[in-house]
Order: sequence, then structure tokens, then C-alpha cells
Amino acid sequence: GAGVSQSPRYKVAKRGQDVALRCDPISGHVSLFWYQQALGQGPEFLTYFQNEAQLDKSGLPSDRFFAERPEGSVSTLKIQRTQQEDSAVYLCASSLASLGGVDTQYFGPGTRLTVL
Amino acid sequence: SQQGEEDPQALSIQEGENATMNCSYKTSINNLQWYRQNSGRGLVHLILIRSNEREKHSGRLRVTLDTSKKSSSLLITASRAADTASYFCATDPKNTPLVFGKGTRLSVIA
Repeated sequence: GAGVSQSPRYKVAKRGQDVALRCDPISGHVSLFWYQQALGQGPEFLTYFQNEAQLDKSGLPSDRFFAERPEGSVSTLKIQRTQQEDSAVYLCASSLASLGGVDTQYFGPGTRLTVL
Repeated sequence: SQQGEEDPQALSIQEGENATMNCSYKTSINNLQWYRQNSGRGLVHLILIRSNEREKHSGRLRVTLDTSKKSSSLLITASRAADTASYFCATDPKNTPLVFGKGTRLSVIA
């Protein structure tokens, strides 16, 4: 079946612009995660959804970052007033189980955001 | 902050040789997972080892886990050029999302 998809794959924004990144998880997956991966680093957790509920947003770096998953499937990560330090690859992952269960997270290809 | 630390940061080997990567972590975990990431791509799940397991095999991959030392190793046997990628360990400290290390960049030279 189809894996996790993300769009756009690449996004260039001028500093101060708002951007919206989309994630389509695997159908039926309960959990959805967003990660930020800086160049040469491992992914770092941003936020977690269980169905439509955002249960953990402790990793969001500032209040300019906002995520939603209104119907428990597709999720959008929005970054307002982008800054150069927001440049990174944003990865989305989904898993069948809810958090706390032993389960594999399946990752999308990521969106590479470059803020000029 | 990142919990896992992979070692070495970079590894270059000849095709056919074995590659060993290590991961250390700081807190108690439910399980530990290894992922591969090809340049410009998303992460691909390789193997999951539970905290009560000591060793696991999957094809040419062998993973060990030592919870007393808070460390894990990933062995890739008979490496191929296609194994060239970054490898990350990821832990899930109880009831929290995955915490990744910085990765080991593996280069397999044909």
C-alpha cells in the first residue's frame, strides 16, 4: 500500500513568509509525528497526534510553529514568519499504535525548507 | 536534545567488509530501533529490538542491546555499495516519542 507522503518536497521561502507543510499518513494509522532534521543531525521531535488530538507539542521551537490534524488523518505543519534558523528537513511519520505501544514509525520523504 | 549518540560519526569500508556502528543512550527505554537514511530521503526502518531482548537478526543485519550499559550495536555483514547511507538509532524513553542520535555516515566503496 501507499506509504507516508509529504508535500511539497522542497520549499523556498523568504524570511517572514508563512509556510504550510502537508503530511498524508498511512491510512488507518493512529499516531502521527512531526520531526525537524537540521543538516548533519538526527531528527528531533516536534509534535505528536493521536487521531485528531495533539497530545504532545513540547518539541515545537516557538509559537510560530503550529500543527493540526483536524480529521485524524492528514496533518499540516504551519510555520509563521519564517526565520533562517527554520531551514531544515521536516519529516512526518505515522504508526499504527498509539504512543506507548511497541510499534514502528513509518517516515515520509520529508519537506526540505530553505528560508532565505 | 538528542539522547542517542552513534559511534563512529563516519565510517568508510570496502564492499564485502562488515560494518559495525554503536549507539549509546541515557535513560530507560521500551525499545530501540535502527533506521537508515539515504541522502535526501526519509528514514527507513531497519529493525526494532525490545528492552528485554539481547540480540536480533534480520537478513544481513545483526543488532545487540545491552541495557546495563545503555548501548546497542548494529552490524551489517558483507556490505554492499547500496548500504551507503546514514544510520540512526532511536530510543523511546517510556511513553515519549522517538529520540534519535546524530547518526553514523557509512560509505561502502565498490
